[in-house]
Amino acid sequence: GAGVSQSPRYKVAKRGQDVALRCDPISGHVSLFWYQQALGQGPEFLTYFQNEAQLDKSGLPSDRFFAERPEGSVSTLKIQRTQQEDSAVYLCASSLETGGIYSGNTIYFGEGSWLTVV
Amino acid sequence: AQSVTQPDIHITVSEGASLELRCNYSYGATPYLFWYVQSPGQGLQLLLKYFSGDTLVQGIKGFEAEFKRSQSSFNLRKPSVHWSDAAEYFCAVGTYGGSQGNLIFGKGTKLSVKP
Repeated sequence: GAGVSQSPRYKVAKRGQDVALRCDPISGHVSLFWYQQALGQGPEFLTYFQNEAQLDKSGLPSDRFFAERPEGSVSTLKIQRTQQEDSAVYLCASSLETGGIYSGNTIYFGEGSWLTVV
Repeated sequence: AQSVTQPDIHITVSEGASLELRCNYSYGATPYLFWYVQSPGQGLQLLLKYFSGDTLVQGIKGFEAEFKRSQSSFNLRKPSVHWSDAAEYFCAVGTYGGSQGNLIFGKGTKLSVKP
C-alpha cells in the first residue's frame, strides 16, 4: 500500500482481555518500529525490527507485551491480560533500509491503533 | 539518560505571524534531531531532520530548524503561519551509538492558529 497501515484503528478491551494489533509496513521496508503514545504525551519506543529480527525490545513495558514479525513484513503487537494503564495509541512505523533511525531514510508512521481498556 | 524538553505545551499565533517552537535536548555528543507534526487522528509526519553539516535545516511546508550545540537546542521556525499548520509538533532525538529504533520524543507543543 501507499503508507503504513494499522488495524484495528480503534479497540475497546475489557481488563484482562488479550489484544493483537497489526501493522502492515510500506512494501519492501526493512526497518519496523512500534511506539506507544499515552494521552497528552509524546510517543515512547517499544521495539524495533530489522526484517524478521527483533533487534531491540528494551521499551516493552512488561512481559505482557510481545511483538513479532515472522516473515519480515507484517508485524503484530500482542498485549496479554490488558490493564487500564495500557490504554494508549500504538504507533507503527517503517523505513526502507537497515540502520533504523541512523540510516537517513525517512521513517513513515501509521495512523495508530487506539486502545482503550475498560 | 537522554531527554527532550519542549517547554511550551500550547502556543497560539495569528495566521501570517511568525512561529518558533522550542526544543532542548540532553545528550553529551552530537545527536540526531527530528521534528514531526501530528494532525488530529493522523500519523506522525517528518518535517525535517539534522544529522550533521549545515546547522540550519530546511524542511517541508516552509519549516526550518537550527541546531545550536552551545544551547543544546533545535528550535523549529516558520516565517508565516497558515491555518493548516494547526497541529501538534514533536521534537525527537536519536543518540549516536544507541538503539537503531529508539527515538526519544518530547511531550509535544500544540499549535493553534487564529484567523
